[in-house]
Amino acid sequence: GQNIDQPTEMTATEGAIVQINCTYQTSGFNGLFWYQQHAGEAPTFLSYNVLDGLEEKGRFSSFLSRSKGYSYLLLKELQMKDSASYLCAVMDSNYQLIWGAGTKLIIKP
Amino acid sequence: GAVVSQHPSWVICKSGTSVKIECRSLDFQATTMFWYRQFPKQSLMLMATSNEGSKATYEQGVEKDKFLINHASLTLSTLTVTSAHPEDSSFYICSARVLSGYEQYFGPGTRLTVT
Repeated sequence: GQNIDQPTEMTATEGAIVQINCTYQTSGFNGLFWYQQHAGEAPTFLSYNVLDGLEEKGRFSSFLSRSKGYSYLLLKELQMKDSASYLCAVMDSNYQLIWGAGTKLIIKP
Repeated sequence: GAVVSQHPSWVICKSGTSVKIECRSLDFQATTMFWYRQFPKQSLMLMATSNEGSKATYEQGVEKDKFLINHASLTLSTLTVTSAHPEDSSFYICSARVLSGYEQYFGPGTRLTVT
């Protein structure tokens, strides 16, 4: 079967760095996405990785290792507004997105 | 760029009535749009994939006669919840895939409450 695993909840301190991990087992791979979802709102696109390595975009970076079926989202200089759920999703061989359950990130002052 | 709108943002309807939700890609064309449902504190659940000019593909367990999807143009898809019941109350979110890649951009969602 297809499976995406990510931690249910994480807590971090304002100004610090946090890494949210995602492991996956899917039928085929056409890229991995990270989305941010604030409570009561729709997800917003953060990143797309299809090749191995690190993609940096401002305070957010995303890493992919296809051989390990592993990705992480790195958030630097955490701000209170970063409190949200972070969704990992993998596009399978049929170009369908397989979604993880999301990681709820709590930022404390 | 890549803005997706949904209308209405929220709707309250009586049990047995039908509700139509519109999803529009405002500044790009999308041959493929997706409809999701999300219950409180749960993950997104894909309901169906909507392809412009053809019938939608429904996920297992989703009643196609209850959730009618129409994708009449490259910028508009509609979801109609027919004969709504209280258990259909949920957050319905659409997304649109860009023609030039694989990114999906989400609309703001529609909160449906059936009384």
